[in-house]
Amino acid sequence: DIQMTQSPASLSASLGETVTIQCRASEDIYSGLAWYQQKPGKSPQLLIYGASSLQDGVPSRFSGSGSGTQYSLKISSMQTEDEGVYFCQQGLKYPYTFGAGTKLELK
Amino acid sequence: EVQLKESGPGLVQPSQTLSLTCTVSGFSLTDYSVHWVRQPPGKGLEWMGVMWSGGSTAYNSALKSRLSISRDTSKSQVFLKMNSLQTEDTAIYYCTRDNNYFDYWGQGVMVTVSS
Repeated sequence: DIQMTQSPASLSASLGETVTIQCRASEDIYSGLAWYQQKPGKSPQLLIYGASSLQDGVPSRFSGSGSGTQYSLKISSMQTEDEGVYFCQQGLKYPYTFGAGTKLELK
Repeated sequence: EVQLKESGPGLVQPSQTLSLTCTVSGFSLTDYSVHWVRQPPGKGLEWMGVMWSGGSTAYNSALKSRLSISRDTSKSQVFLKMNSLQTEDTAIYYCTRDNNYFDYWGQGVMVTVSS
């Protein structure tokens, strides 16, 4: 199975701060990567797919980049509503696998 | 409007079988695949398996011996059955639509395995 390693496990950011979350795959996933945001008591919401494509309705302050085994999610200006847990997921091979999550809090 | 909704028992006894239903609307099960993903309390996400739009299935090998996914296209429903439940199967169970990625999710159903 492809292992997905996210870092950091948690972080706190101030309003307006730039936030970056990393995700590393155990093998090349050829940009087959998605990012999800999950708020407490809610189901995950798709933010980014194909490593860098923004899902409809997602604010443009979210962006994704990367290739091969290394990927990142960037929030260009932290907002209150961005608090939550962020997961990466590889969609290249079965079983689809997720990172362990990064908990983002407002400082 | 695309919607998915999971339903099923909230409590299952150890060693018993879990049966869940995912009822979808706003799209056809013959056009989109539907996956099951679960999340133990306070933990990460685990992909369980998929009902492909063509009617075949694929399962996580870690669960394959216990898991079965089926569907009724006339009722727009996908079913999950998993036997020999243990306490570690306590989780929120989600169904989600495959649009190359998981673009719509159900609200989830909390299943507790306990006697």
